[in-house]
Amino acid sequence: SAVISQKPSRDICQRGTSLTIQCQVDSQVTMMFWYRQQPGQSLTLIATANQGSEATYESGFVIDKFPISRPNLTFSTLTVSNMSPEDSSIYLCSVGGRTYNEQFFGPGTRLTVL
Amino acid sequence: SQQGEEDPQALSIQEGENATMNCSYKTSINNLQWYRQNSGRGLVHLILIRSNEREKHSGRLRVTLDTSKKSSSLLITASRAADTASYFCATDAGGGSNYKLTFGKGTLLTVNP
Repeated sequence: SAVISQKPSRDICQRGTSLTIQCQVDSQVTMMFWYRQQPGQSLTLIATANQGSEATYESGFVIDKFPISRPNLTFSTLTVSNMSPEDSSIYLCSVGGRTYNEQFFGPGTRLTVL
Repeated sequence: SQQGEEDPQALSIQEGENATMNCSYKTSINNLQWYRQNSGRGLVHLILIRSNEREKHSGRLRVTLDTSKKSSSLLITASRAADTASYFCATDAGGGSNYKLTFGKGTLLTVNP
């Protein structure tokens, strides 16, 4: 299994500002995933980030709002841009396992936008 | 759109009892997985069952899959207070998007000591 860390673990931000969330994996992985979990809700996939190519966004998510970087095989960032209170969520990154399709998740970043 | 729907949304039991959670999904799947989330933190992978499997065990966990009914169940036997968490099912469609998981809404399980 992979060990994944995220920074920051939580933050409180003002409307209109941006926050960059970091995800670090202890091994090289091809695909990394970013999810959003709104309060009391399930997880929704934002985008898939492959090293060396542009991220692939899911319906309802756009690059201008959630730009993603993937500079190497162990690291990725997700930026939540021009934040509004509706962006208050837990943001989680994950990586695929070596067998089948199980995924390993980071501890999440709890974001509150005032 | 959400693929999985967990049932019940919340479940409260006494320590030592069994807990059963159900998940239904709408489209064909390649695999179905169950995850646990403690207090809004990261998810922990519990068990994966493939579409050609009907039942799988892991410790106190038992998962069943009925592809004809598009449903799965997670049974936790002899529950403990530490099992208190939210439980989510997640499906993938396989093929070129076999790493994309679609999560259900989750069941909040409370195990009272």
